[in-house]
Amino acid sequence: EAGVAQSPRYKIIEKRQSVAFWCNPISGHATLYWYQQILGQGPKLLIQFQNNGVVDDSQLPKDRFSAERLKGVDSTLKIQPAKLEDSAVYLCASSLGSSKVGNEQFFGPGTRLTVL
Amino acid sequence: GDSVTQMEGPVTLSEEAFLTINCTYTATGYPSLFWYVQYPGEGLQLLLKATKADDKGSNKGFEATYRKETTSFHLEKGSVQVSDSAVYFCAPNQAGTALIFGKGTTLSVSS
Repeated sequence: EAGVAQSPRYKIIEKRQSVAFWCNPISGHATLYWYQQILGQGPKLLIQFQNNGVVDDSQLPKDRFSAERLKGVDSTLKIQPAKLEDSAVYLCASSLGSSKVGNEQFFGPGTRLTVL
Repeated sequence: GDSVTQMEGPVTLSEEAFLTINCTYTATGYPSLFWYVQYPGEGLQLLLKATKADDKGSNKGFEATYRKETTSFHLEKGSVQVSDSAVYFCAPNQAGTALIFGKGTTLSVSS
């Protein structure tokens, strides 16, 4: 079974530039998550989708971050304009999407963003 | 909201030593509890989980028991190997929501 795919794996940009990340979840997984992992910290949720609807975006800095999941499969996360503090690894995860207790989330390899 | 506190690292051990990484959480209701591991250069992967009080999750020689009375889910392994060197994350989870991660504990095992 193919895992969660993400691209690019690495990205270096100047502050105030824009950047986009792409995620392809495991086939059949209805729920998709974007997490931000700053160096030395645990991942923090940015946004959660159920199919193509947003479930939770309470921690997404909406003045600069946006995300979409068209057709309920692939997703893109965009930052515009980027700030120095956005330097982090952006992780995409997916799960079957049920409210079943103990439902596992599967993570992609992440995109490491460096903002100079 | 829910939160988790993990023991500060790094933890440095010799091969075959006993490992404990402490994890305590605050949560409403009865969350599931997870340990995820991040090996160098790799993505996060599930190590083990427990879904109700007194459940014991186990995998690859690691164990953790869901202790509701102390709101803890400490990770243990009787004999660590060099290949266990990684960052370990404890995470409570309410069904259908995102994981709440601790800061992670870095384990370094030397031969």
